Amino acid sequence: DTVLTQSPALAVSPGERVTISCRASESVSTGMHWYQQKPGQQPKLLIYGASNLESGVPARFSGSGSGTDFTLTIDPVEADDTATYFCQQSWNDPPTFGGGTKLELK
Amino acid sequence: EVQLVESGGGLVQPGRSMKLSCAASGFTFNNYDMAWVCQAPKKGLEWVATISYDGSSTYYRDSVKGRFTISRDNAKSTLYLQMDSLRSEDTATYYCARITTVPYYWYFDFWGPGTMVTVSS
Repeated sequence: DTVLTQSPALAVSPGERVTISCRASESVSTGMHWYQQKPGQQPKLLIYGASNLESGVPARFSGSGSGTDFTLTIDPVEADDTATYFCQQSWNDPPTFGGGTKLELK
Repeated sequence: EVQLVESGGGLVQPGRSMKLSCAASGFTFNNYDMAWVCQAPKKGLEWVATISYDGSSTYYRDSVKGRFTISRDNAKSTLYLQMDSLRSEDTATYYCARITTVPYYWYFDFWGPGTMVTVSS
């Protein structure tokens, strides 16, 4: 299975720029997607195909990368962005998720 | 508005069965592949199973093959997950998710709020 590795946690101040990384154990081309999950809620799609912004998602969110290294960027970060962010690949079978990065605001 | 609402979760003893349902609305259900994704308490997300738009193809993670069955009723716009021979490690919140497919990849674009399954004696 393709293992996706994310840093477990980050803490940033409102207004700053934050990058959340996701590294795949093998190439997933651009079949990487990002989700936001707030406590007690279901995941919400932010970015699909590595860099495509889902409709209705603020332009403060962006994604980049291909192959094995991917980044989700939030700029500027707002208080409402406190959540856990998961990457997920659908290029290789079975589909897999990263362990999640918990974003906290200072 | 797209809506997915799961039901059928609860407490079940190890070795017993449970059937989850997911009622879909706000979109043409039979145009989309659908999936179940689970999340153990305080843990990450795990894909469980996928079914094609017409029900002709199904896919499972290895740990549930032979125990779980994904199915759908397009006339009722409902997705199901029959879970047999349940184990304590199946304890999780189970989410129903819609799949959107584009050339070369697919992704989960809508998720239900989830239903909790607890396997314990």
